[in-house]
Amino acid sequence: TQLLEQSPQFLSIQEGENLTVYCNSSSVFSSLQWYRQEPGEGPVLLVTVVTGGEVKKLKRLTFQFGDARKDSSLHITAAQPGDTGLYLCAGPPGGANNLFFGTGTRLTVIP
Amino acid sequence: KAGVTQTPRYLIKTRGQQVTLSCSPISGHRSVSWYQQTPGQGLQFLFEYFSETQRNKGNFPGRFSGRQFSNSRSEMNVSTLELGDSALYLCASSPTPNTEAFFGQGTRLTVV
Repeated sequence: TQLLEQSPQFLSIQEGENLTVYCNSSSVFSSLQWYRQEPGEGPVLLVTVVTGGEVKKLKRLTFQFGDARKDSSLHITAAQPGDTGLYLCAGPPGGANNLFFGTGTRLTVIP
Repeated sequence: KAGVTQTPRYLIKTRGQQVTLSCSPISGHRSVSWYQQTPGQGLQFLFEYFSETQRNKGNFPGRFSGRQFSNSRSEMNVSTLELGDSALYLCASSPTPNTEAFFGQGTRLTVV
């Protein structure tokens, strides 16, 4: 059982569509981070959410941290081919000393 | 500011051999973590070093080891390589533990 479950596992959409990916856990996290990874590269940090209920926007990307700090979502508006990649959530669950990574959502945006 | 540098980028080894991977963190970062990424298992935590001390270790056999030097550079070693060790090995640096992690490009290890 993974500590952080992401859904969907795979997502293929047309350019211009909107999408939401989810990151869920039964554990409470002091913070959650979202990364995007392209093939053959390391993950790149997109955002960190810290406060329950927090919403952060990064251009067309909107990140939300659940009120109970057990889940998070990433919404992309008007997806573009450049958004293609593996999206990973990660965080240190309460009391842990290292980052746990989610199962990942592989997004493909078709031109 | 230079990013995290991992060397080598690609490596092919034979079963039974051993391998050492290197990671230079971002200047000023003292925490270095190592991860193994495979298509089936995703990103799995190997270990974390801070100020030359291993703080945490993931659920990997003793064939996987690491160390950190006084300049915060880190190495990981895998002995008696198995085919299943083929993976992308990622290093991440942070100013201190449990803060935002910045990843290198990884070392792609293939065991044949």
